[in-house]
Amino acid sequence: GQNIDQPTEMTATEGAIVQINCTYQTSGFNGLFWYQQHAGEAPTFLSYNVLDGLEEKGRFSSFLSRSKGYSYLLLKELQMKDSASYLCAVRDRDNYGQNFVFGPGTRLSVLP
Amino acid sequence: DAGVTQSPTHLIKTRGQHVTLRCSPISGHKSVSWYQQVLGQGPQFIFQYYEKEERGRGNFPDRFSARQFPNYSSELNVNALLLGDSALYLCASSLVTQVTLYTEAFFGQGTRLTVV
Repeated sequence: GQNIDQPTEMTATEGAIVQINCTYQTSGFNGLFWYQQHAGEAPTFLSYNVLDGLEEKGRFSSFLSRSKGYSYLLLKELQMKDSASYLCAVRDRDNYGQNFVFGPGTRLSVLP
Repeated sequence: DAGVTQSPTHLIKTRGQHVTLRCSPISGHKSVSWYQQVLGQGPQFIFQYYEKEERGRGNFPDRFSARQFPNYSSELNVNALLLGDSALYLCASSLVTQVTLYTEAFFGQGTRLTVV
């Protein structure tokens, strides 16, 4: 089966650091992706991990442990504009296939 | 550069009607996928097309169908609309080649479908 779990909601303060966890059980795995989605807008790509370890992109970092079926997205120096939903997604196919299995999303609220 | 474009942006239909949603991928992208996103949930995979061939199908009834045209644009068709089909329909394109298998998907703004 396909199952991706994330916390439904999180709250953090401007300037702080927040970690959004994601656990997954999928029939296939070809990369774990994080997307940001503001209310009423399209998801936008943040980062992805194919191999175990940490990937850093500016204020955003993502970590993957394939053996544990676990990933997290780390947001540093939080800004008000970071208030959004964060979607964890596993790419389920290879050979030209692009099937992303998404989690329910974590709604992050950044407070002043 | 133009991103993924979808039309229409909003649509209201009556139960039992048929709807066609359209998507133009980023120039050079040959892979197009369709997702359904119900309010408060993550997107659910419906179809994926690459080089005009269906490469994947999610767990949706046969009322849902799609196709990809020679210019790589795509249509999603839904017949016999139900109230539960009300959702945001997202189109995503990807640059998928033999070299760049691991690529992100770029999403359009979506079509907000309301079935009444």
